[in-house]
Parts: sequence; C-alpha cells; structure tokens
Amino acid sequence: EVQLVESGGGLVQPGGSLRLSCAASGFTFSGFWMSWVRQAPGKGLEFVANIKPDGSERFYLDSVRGRFTISRDNAKNSLYLQISNPRAEDTAVYYCARIVVVVTELFDYWGQGTLVTVSS
Amino acid sequence: DIQMTQSPSTLSASVGDRVTITCRASQTISTYLNWYQHIPGKAPNLLIYAASTLQSGVPSRFSGSGSGTDFTLTISSLQPQDFATYYCQLSYVPWTFGQGTTVEI
Repeated sequence: EVQLVESGGGLVQPGGSLRLSCAASGFTFSGFWMSWVRQAPGKGLEFVANIKPDGSERFYLDSVRGRFTISRDNAKNSLYLQISNPRAEDTAVYYCARIVVVVTELFDYWGQGTLVTVSS
Repeated sequence: DIQMTQSPSTLSASVGDRVTITCRASQTISTYLNWYQHIPGKAPNLLIYAASTLQSGVPSRFSGSGSGTDFTLTISSLQPQDFATYYCQLSYVPWTFGQGTTVEI
C-alpha cells in the first residue's frame, strides 16, 4: 500500500526557516517524480515544487523560487521541502504527492498534509 | 502562464442529482487535464486524468470530457460521500489548479 506521511510543520517566524519531510512507503520511491502542493486557509490547491527521480531537475512556483528548496534522499525514501525566509502568505497545509508520468502527468497518491503557520 | 478557471465556484445539489462542473483553460491544452476531489482534512484524490480516463478504483458515476480549452466533470448520480471540493489541474508545467468547485447540500 502506497503511503506518504508528512511531518515538520509548525509555527515559524517571518524570515525564519523550517524543513518539511515526507516519508514514502509501499512503492519504489527512486522511480517517481515527487511534488509538494499547498492549500492556504480558505484557498484552493497550489503547486509548489517538484523533483525528478534522481534529483537532477526541479521546478518551482514563481513566488517560492529562491526561498524554498525541494530535495530527496532515495536511500531513505524521503522527500523534503526547505522553507527559508517565509512570508505570511506561505501559511498553508503542505501536501506531498507522487507523480506518475503516463503520456500525461498525474498526482496519484497524496499525504494527509502538514500545517505551516508563518507568524511573529 | 496558462490559467485554469472553474465554474461554478459553489454548487448546491441533492443526493441523486446529476452534477456538472466546468473548467476552462486560457489557451489550448489538448487533453492535458486532471480532476481531483478534496474533502477537508483528507488527502486529495485523483478522479480523472487525460481529461476523460477514470483513475483505477474511482466509481463509474464520475466521468470527464473535453479537449482544447473546455472541459467538464460530471457526477451522474450524486452520493453523500461526493460532497467535497473538486479541482481541475493542468497536467504539465506549471501544473496550475483551478480555483475549485465546492459541491454542497
């Protein structure tokens, strides 16, 4: 059974830093693109970042590029999101998701999410 | 960037109703479109990919159609567990989501 479990959320001050983790199990983690998607309070889903299976390619939402870093450790079946210099508008539930590429690209499994609150 | 616009934003319906949600892309995207269901507090769930292909395990009352710029998600007979928010998503860079359609009682 595919499982994705996020952790590391919490309260962070503007200008601070936080690292989110996503523990994957039930599939060959090293064979899949992975992604972070967020949902701010009262808002919809928003793509944040994704990363190629070997970590050699990464894509970011324009508003987080240069502040957020997505990474992975295939030996530990783990995905990470380093959040630096956060802003109030980064307050959201952050989900990790597995991406399957079959002609198109689909996010077929998601975690339950971890809440990040940016506030002083 | 390509924008994805859903309508309506909120939809009131009853169990057994046929429900249709529309998603429009700001430029043509062929059939590069996914649909997701999201219930608050739970993980989002992939329903449809490539505009019309039903994800494994998803009930057949869900269907998708469209190509180019205009797409629809249809629930043929709404069930109690279907009250949720539905999102369309562009299935390539920058993987933009629509703003969501909440189906409520």
